[in-house]
Amino acid sequence: GDSVTQMEGPVTLSEEAFLTINCTYTATGYPSLFWYVQYPGEGLQLLLKATKADDKGSNKGFEATYRKETTSFHLEKGSVQVSDSAVYFCALITGNQFYFGTGTSLTVIP
Amino acid sequence: EAQVTQNPRYLITVTGKKLTVTCSQNMNHEYMSWYRQDPGLGLRQIYYSMNVEVTDKGDVPEGYKVSRKEKRNFPLILESPSPNQTSLYFCASRLNLQGHQFFGPGTRLTVL
Repeated sequence: GDSVTQMEGPVTLSEEAFLTINCTYTATGYPSLFWYVQYPGEGLQLLLKATKADDKGSNKGFEATYRKETTSFHLEKGSVQVSDSAVYFCALITGNQFYFGTGTSLTVIP
Repeated sequence: EAQVTQNPRYLITVTGKKLTVTCSQNMNHEYMSWYRQDPGLGLRQIYYSMNVEVTDKGDVPEGYKVSRKEKRNFPLILESPSPNQTSLYFCASRLNLQGHQFFGPGTRLTVL
């Protein structure tokens, strides 16, 4: 079945460090791919998305490229801030259903 | 303000006592879903609805019911809650099949 696998956390980085969170997927057809972010005590918010192969989603300095050949959608940011501390979820939609990864907790220390 | 609201935000109850968690969206979205979030398991879909009076099971529907009598509301019903339903629940809506989801703030449920 369709699924999303993302790197386990927690991840702890110093401010201004480079961030990569890996995400790979299994899906029939041509899914759309998403990254959501969950700040403490809140619901998930859309961070970025890509709807077809080679699309790059970007927002707030975060980027992810839809790689069909490697079935991946890795999240990157060149210089993280303390305010980026949150849980990040990779997700895909195929047909009527969304599938989420298990989430990666990121803590950025000053 | 476009939003998804859920009530209550926190609930402690006992095994077997029926409860309802309400969900409402003001964006005229077609699709609505319920998820539960558990440590190490991420978000798992309980039920979803594609329109009024159209609902379908997600990955973990056992022990839950839903209804969609109006477009804006999608309540989650636990007829006889059990401790394994202790979790963080999220309602979400989206405009169409490929649209991204808007999430509510979550309901933390504890079943003793």
